[in-house]
Amino acid sequence: EAGVTQFPSHSVIEKGQTVTLRCDPISGHDNLYWYRRVMGKEIKFLLHFVKESKQDESGMPNNRFLAERTGGTYSTLKVQPAELEDSGVYFCASSQGTYYGYTFGSGTRLTVV
Amino acid sequence: AQTVTQSQPEMSVQEAETVTLSCTYDTSENNYYLFWYKQPPSRQMILVIRQEAYKQQNATENRFSVNFQKAAKSFSLKISDSQLGDTAMYFCAFMKLYTGNQFYFGTGTSLTVIP
Repeated sequence: EAGVTQFPSHSVIEKGQTVTLRCDPISGHDNLYWYRRVMGKEIKFLLHFVKESKQDESGMPNNRFLAERTGGTYSTLKVQPAELEDSGVYFCASSQGTYYGYTFGSGTRLTVV
Repeated sequence: AQTVTQSQPEMSVQEAETVTLSCTYDTSENNYYLFWYKQPPSRQMILVIRQEAYKQQNATENRFSVNFQKAAKSFSLKISDSQLGDTAMYFCAFMKLYTGNQFYFGTGTSLTVIP
C-alpha cells in the first residue's frame, strides 16, 4: 500500500512569491490533515478535510493560505504571497477514522528567503 | 486549550542502553489519547505507541513503553536496548477522545543513539 506522498520535498522561494504544496493521501482515506512545524517549535494543526469538505480550518494562520481537496482525493496548500514566517515543514496526514490509523507524509520543507 | 511540553530538546544514549524521554501536558479533558511519534531523518513520522487515558495499564510495544501518570499529567517514553535505528526526532502528542480530530504536539526531542 502506498503511503502518504507529499511534494515537493523541499521548496525555496522568495518573499512575495506563491508556492503550492501537494499531498496525496492513502487511497480510501476520507480524512486528510495539514500540519506545520516552524523551526524549533511544536507541530501545529492547520486544517482537516473530510472528503472534499473542510471540517475544521481553525489552525489556518491567515488568508494567505488556501487549501483545497479536489474530489476528495489529493489536496493542495497554496501560500500566496509567501512571507518569511511561513518557513517551516508542512506535514500532511490521512486516516480512515479520527482516532486511529493516522499516516503521515514525510513533509515539505518550505524556506522563504 | 491543550498544551504538550517536551523539556528535553536533545538527548543521546549509548547503543543497548535505556533512555527515557519526558512529556507533560495540560488539559481539562478527562478522556483523551496520548501518543509518541518518531520521525527519522528525512523520513515520515510513524507511530511508536499510543495510550488511552481511561486505561490505567501502561502501554508497551516491544522495546518501547510508557509511564503514564494521569494525575501528574505526565507521559514519558522509555526505550530499552536502544538501537541505531532509534535515532530520530520524537514527538509527544495529545488528542481529545470524543471530539478529537487533531493532534496537539510538543516541540520534540532529538534522540541520538551512539554506537
